[in-house]
Amino acid sequence: QLQLQESGPGLVKPAKTLSLTCSVSGGSTNTGDFYWGWIRQPPGKGLEWIGSAFYSGSSYYHPSLKSRATVSVDTSKNQFSLHLTSVTASDTAVYYCARRFSRWPFYFDYWGQGILVTVSS
Amino acid sequence: EIVLTQSPGTLSLSPGERATLSCRASQHVFSDYLAWFQQKPGQAPRLLIYGASSRPTGIPDRFSGSGSGTDFTLTINRLEPEDFAVYYCQQYASSPWTFGQGTKVENK
Repeated sequence: QLQLQESGPGLVKPAKTLSLTCSVSGGSTNTGDFYWGWIRQPPGKGLEWIGSAFYSGSSYYHPSLKSRATVSVDTSKNQFSLHLTSVTASDTAVYYCARRFSRWPFYFDYWGQGILVTVSS
Repeated sequence: EIVLTQSPGTLSLSPGERATLSCRASQHVFSDYLAWFQQKPGQAPRLLIYGASSRPTGIPDRFSGSGSGTDFTLTINRLEPEDFAVYYCQQYASSPWTFGQGTKVENK
């Protein structure tokens, strides 16, 4: 059974960089079958996809976050990460890591439990 | 960007009743690449439906999805106590992948 587990600081200061890691167990990130990505949910609000990366290094992002977000996969550690620069209070959210099929059926199947990140001084 | 609009915002029903949730897309969703997720407080979203109408293994058959193009529906037959939650639709046909704003199914 695949498991995804987010980790990282729960508090980040404004204008700094938010850095999160998703550790994968029960499966391998070193495969062309899946994309590995991040989705966030501000408190009491809906879901927003941030970006996804492939084991080979390619990545793609939501246009609104493209200039600030970087998602990368480290197959040697079987984990992937998110870096979000120049954060503001509006980046406060629960951040989920998730896996998506790279070919049919294409959907997001496994999600982590989420980690709350608060941006505050 | 495909915008998904869910209705109603809140649905107040009793156990045993049927819930009908709507998701309307601003553009055609290619190949009906639309999913439905259930989210309970403090939990990650759980996939209920993919491809507009397919259920993953382990999802009870009281959950069903229908629709195509721009109009999609999630139906929950005979609501169980554990079904009271927030439901999101999501399209994965066109990047950026987008979600609806959610429908809350609450116990009347």
